[in-house]
Amino acid sequence: DTEVTQTPKHLVMGMTNKKSLKCEQHMGHRAMYWYKQKAKKPPELMFVYSYEKLSINESVPSRFSPECPNSSLLNLHLHALQPEDSALYLCASSHRQGAGGYTFGSGTRLTVV
Amino acid sequence: ILNVEQSPQSLHVQEGDSTNFTCSFPSSNFYALHWYRWETAKSPEALFVMTLNGDEKKKGRISATLNTKEGYSYLYIKGSQPEDSATYLCALSNSNSGYALNFGKGTSLLVTP
Repeated sequence: DTEVTQTPKHLVMGMTNKKSLKCEQHMGHRAMYWYKQKAKKPPELMFVYSYEKLSINESVPSRFSPECPNSSLLNLHLHALQPEDSALYLCASSHRQGAGGYTFGSGTRLTVV
Repeated sequence: ILNVEQSPQSLHVQEGDSTNFTCSFPSSNFYALHWYRWETAKSPEALFVMTLNGDEKKKGRISATLNTKEGYSYLYIKGSQPEDSATYLCALSNSNSGYALNFGKGTSLLVTP
């Protein structure tokens, strides 16, 4: 298995909802990443997990809460989002933090209404 | 956040043309430079990971060079085909960013028959 799988592919949520984005890989990668990408802008790093521990938090608002329950799974819990949080959320993994190429999922397109 | 610049922003060429794009980045504390190809609604696909000054890599009709001293990388496509149409992203990792990838805005390539 050489893929990163993200679910759901599309999500529409209200500002008072709680939802979660999921990311899964079975390549034995020990670093996993969340990126946020808005139209016509580059992907922006949100969080890095290395060996299931949060390594980098790029000053992301607390309404985004990451979780890495095991080496294959990465979740992003969403609560009380704003319309400006609407974006494509990409998950990626690599053998180790900063080592080698990243494998990306196809993303979750999130719309906050 | 590292300043990674890509040019041109977009490019429209005819089938059979050869083309190249530029990625410029801060040269201090360099660790690796990545190139990705990203088609709409798909995952970004890793093309090259380059770490050594003067490195040159090739994958079919696509090749890339790296100059870490002056902080730039070129991506070349020889004999462009319509299936090469995509956004080409470069991304830098260095010790300042905890070795996580910082992306440029990408070059959007359209190849018409």
